Amino acid sequence: QKEVEQDPGPLSVPEGAIVSLNCTYSNSAFQYFMWYRQYSRKGPELLMYTYSSGNKEDGRFTAQVDKSSKYISLFIRDSQPSDSATYLCAMSGNQFYFGTGTSLTVIP
Amino acid sequence: GAVVSQHPSWVICKSGTSVKIECRSLDFQATTMFWYRQFPKQSLMLMATSNEGSKATYEQGVEKDKFLINHASLTLSTLTVTSAHPEDSSFYICSANTAGGPDTQYFGPGTRLTVL
Repeated sequence: QKEVEQDPGPLSVPEGAIVSLNCTYSNSAFQYFMWYRQYSRKGPELLMYTYSSGNKEDGRFTAQVDKSSKYISLFIRDSQPSDSATYLCAMSGNQFYFGTGTSLTVIP
Repeated sequence: GAVVSQHPSWVICKSGTSVKIECRSLDFQATTMFWYRQFPKQSLMLMATSNEGSKATYEQGVEKDKFLINHASLTLSTLTVTSAHPEDSSFYICSANTAGGPDTQYFGPGTRLTVL
């Protein structure tokens, strides 16, 4: 079983839609839960991170962590074409474990 | 935010040759640098962790004699792929960590290696 599971998509939505991206994990020892955005042929860029359970909001982005279900989500409100990218979830205990990434396209 | 650069951004080489990739933290000193490999449509896989002035720690399944890591200073780490083969073709990404939580780890732009 992989440490982190993420649906690779691709996901295509119209501009303005709410996007929901999700990951599941198996290791209950994970403490940090991160979302990265990666454009083609570029390195990942940290969007948000959460320590332990709960929600965190930053502008149009909301991250949720449910440790009891080992499930994390990233919501993007009022999605924009510039949000088109691959979104990677990651978790860490002693080291980082990344999901495969979900490819998102926001259509104008 | 802090900037991490990688050089080269892409490289094409013949099978059997060696390729060196540099990772530099431009405006901060990195206590630790990490090297990842990313195959198409797959997640980043940690290859090794390097600390300045000491030997790198390699993840299980990563050949340390094939992927040589040198972390000579707090701002520079190099990854050398020795005797590269087509199966080594991948996107190699480094990250540099100052200390603390995930917001102190900064990723480089990656190096795309193609071995013919």
